[in-house]
Amino acid sequence: QSALTQPPSASGSPGQSVTISCTGTSSDVGAYNYVSWYQQHPGKAPKLMIYEVGKRPSGVPGRFSGSKSGNTASLTVSGLQAEDEADYFCTSYAGSNIFVIFGGGTKLTVL
Amino acid sequence: QVQLQESGPGLVEPSQTLSLTCTVSGDSISSGHYYWNWIRQPAGKGLEWIGRISSSESTNYNPSLKSRVTISLDTSKNQFSLRLNSVTAADTAVYYCATWSVETAVFDPWGQGTLVTVSS
Repeated sequence: QSALTQPPSASGSPGQSVTISCTGTSSDVGAYNYVSWYQQHPGKAPKLMIYEVGKRPSGVPGRFSGSKSGNTASLTVSGLQAEDEADYFCTSYAGSNIFVIFGGGTKLTVL
Repeated sequence: QVQLQESGPGLVEPSQTLSLTCTVSGDSISSGHYYWNWIRQPAGKGLEWIGRISSSESTNYNPSLKSRVTISLDTSKNQFSLRLNSVTAADTAVYYCATWSVETAVFDPWGQGTLVTVSS
């Protein structure tokens, strides 16, 4: 099973919005509304930012939002702040045999 | 609040067995609330799910690693463990333990991760 496809990098200036895509197939992203997004700062454990496509855990700023269309999910960060600079990766449930697939990760740079 | 902490040798020789333990606090691994997972990340690369175990000790493994992986529970110590046999340099990575919630299909929380290097 191939990894979900993410752009290797994305960038934006403080205050701007940036969207990161996560493309899978009709067997994973397209089949289930179980897409999650994680933020990872260097040397740190991943932190859950979005689950079930567009839901935010408590404590995650409203600037982070998620959506899905067909086989592609997206994470949008609005009102970019310096602390948003990190790696972001997506995951999708892929059924009982494969279980879960990760995206390759996107490095977000705040210019 | 569940917390996880990985432990184990940071250096393993090629062809040997990698063994790691994840100590769980804040919940019992027998509670049935989560699946208990191992995930790894080679330097500069993406994440790879290794496998998981339920409180009833049912296991699922990544097909690409299945022949070399064993995940087990130690309920007396509230720990779960990973064994990866016949390691090579390609197994060098940061290894994370993490919970999987069946309700929300997410890995949350994660341990801090531990770097394992395969080298002689």
